[in-house]
Amino acid sequence: KAGVTQTPRYLIKTRGQQVTLSCSPISGHRSVSWYQQTPGQGLQFLFEYFSETQRNKGNFPGRFSGRQFSNSRSEMNVSTLELGDSALYLCASTVDGAWEQFFGPGTRLTVL
Amino acid sequence: SQQGEEDPQALSIQEGENATMNCSYKTSINNLQWYRQNSGRGLVHLILIRSNEREKHSGRLRVTLDTSKKSSSLLITASRAADTASYFCATDHQAGTALIFGKGTTLSVSS
Repeated sequence: KAGVTQTPRYLIKTRGQQVTLSCSPISGHRSVSWYQQTPGQGLQFLFEYFSETQRNKGNFPGRFSGRQFSNSRSEMNVSTLELGDSALYLCASTVDGAWEQFFGPGTRLTVL
Repeated sequence: SQQGEEDPQALSIQEGENATMNCSYKTSINNLQWYRQNSGRGLVHLILIRSNEREKHSGRLRVTLDTSKKSSSLLITASRAADTASYFCATDHQAGTALIFGKGTTLSVSS
């Protein structure tokens, strides 16, 4: 089985721009979660989607949004980028009801 | 906010030695997991221990859980250079399968 894939792997944007990151879960996994990892705050939960519905949301401003498609692929969007949004964004998928999560390699976002 | 807090933040050992990392958390949990991350890449699931379990083994890994103290430990025996990575504990988050991670322990194993 192919693992979780994330595109793009690296991204450089400037303040004020917006960005869209993509995640394709493992086949058969319908739950997708997003995390932000920074040196200062560590790994923080952004949101979780299951069957195209946001099931859980972390404590992030409304500039961070996401969605999930019928094929379970997910995208997250960050609008009006700030320097502090520079981070590694990780996507994870899991079978519903299971606790073990499978992570993608991440998208490294740099905001200049 | 962080649920788990790992201790120590960094650990340097020689190959063949054992490495012990500790994790404390704040609220009641259904289970606790340990993940490994190599050089800022994706996380890899290592082991899961349920709240009604006290100890679990997987290969060279041994995890303990003390729910009365809200703490867990991960022991890696006979460490190898390939074990060099950051290790995170993670607990469940309210509803769904979202996880709350600690800040991690960076393990360096030198040959």
